[in-house]
Amino acid sequence: DTEVTQTPKHLVMGMTNKKSLKCEQHMGHRAMYWYKQKAKKPPELMFVYSYEKLSINESVPSRFSPECPNSSLLNLHLHALQPEDSALYLCASSQLGWERQFFGPGTRLTVL
Amino acid sequence: AQSVSQHNHHVILSEAASLELGCNYSYGGTVNLFWYVQYPGQHLQLLLKYFSGDPLVKGIKGFEAEFIKSKFSFNLRKPSVQWSDTAEYFCAVNARHSSASKIIFGSGTRLSIRP
Repeated sequence: DTEVTQTPKHLVMGMTNKKSLKCEQHMGHRAMYWYKQKAKKPPELMFVYSYEKLSINESVPSRFSPECPNSSLLNLHLHALQPEDSALYLCASSQLGWERQFFGPGTRLTVL
Repeated sequence: AQSVSQHNHHVILSEAASLELGCNYSYGGTVNLFWYVQYPGQHLQLLLKYFSGDPLVKGIKGFEAEFIKSKFSFNLRKPSVQWSDTAEYFCAVNARHSSASKIIFGSGTRLSIRP
C-alpha cells in the first residue's frame, strides 16, 4: 500500500465552526507533513511530524492545530478560520527526512 | 536560506515537441533536488530526484533532469511530449546536512500540450 489517504475530500465550514482534517498512511513512514496549497501556487509547508513529535511549525496561526495520535495518523484541527484560509490542504509522508514524499489527494477547504 | 526559481510560468507545446523546464536554486551547500508533477485533479507525484552520483537522472514517463552544480540548475527535459503530460510541474530543493532544513518548492510551471 503506497497511498496516503485524506478525508474529507471537500469541506465547507463557517468561521465559527470546529472541524478536523484526517490523513492516514500504512507505509511505515515516520515523518508526516501538512501543506497548504492555494490555486496556481506551490505547496507551502505548515507542519512536520517526526516519530509522532512535532518537529517543524512554520509559524502557522494557532487556529490550525496538528495532532499525530500514532505513526499512521495525522490530524489537523481547525477552529475560527478565516476566508483566506480556503485552500487545498495536502498531507504527505516519507520514511524519515525529505528523500521522497508521498502526497495525499488533499482536502479542498472552503471557509465562508 | 535556500530558494528555488522556475522562470517559465506557463509553457505551451504541441505534441511530439521537445520540452525543457528551467529550475535554479540558491544554496551554498549540498542539496537534494526533486521534480514533482501534479496532473489535473490528481495529487502531487514524484517524477525524479537527485541526491548524488550521476548528475543526469532519469524519472518516470520518459522524463530526465540534469544537475549542473556550477549553474545551480536542475532542468527537466523530455524529448517528445504527449498530450497526457499536461500538468503543473514543481521543482523542489532540500538542503542536506542541515538540522533546520526543509523542502522548498518552486512556483511551478504549467505545461499545456496541444493535441
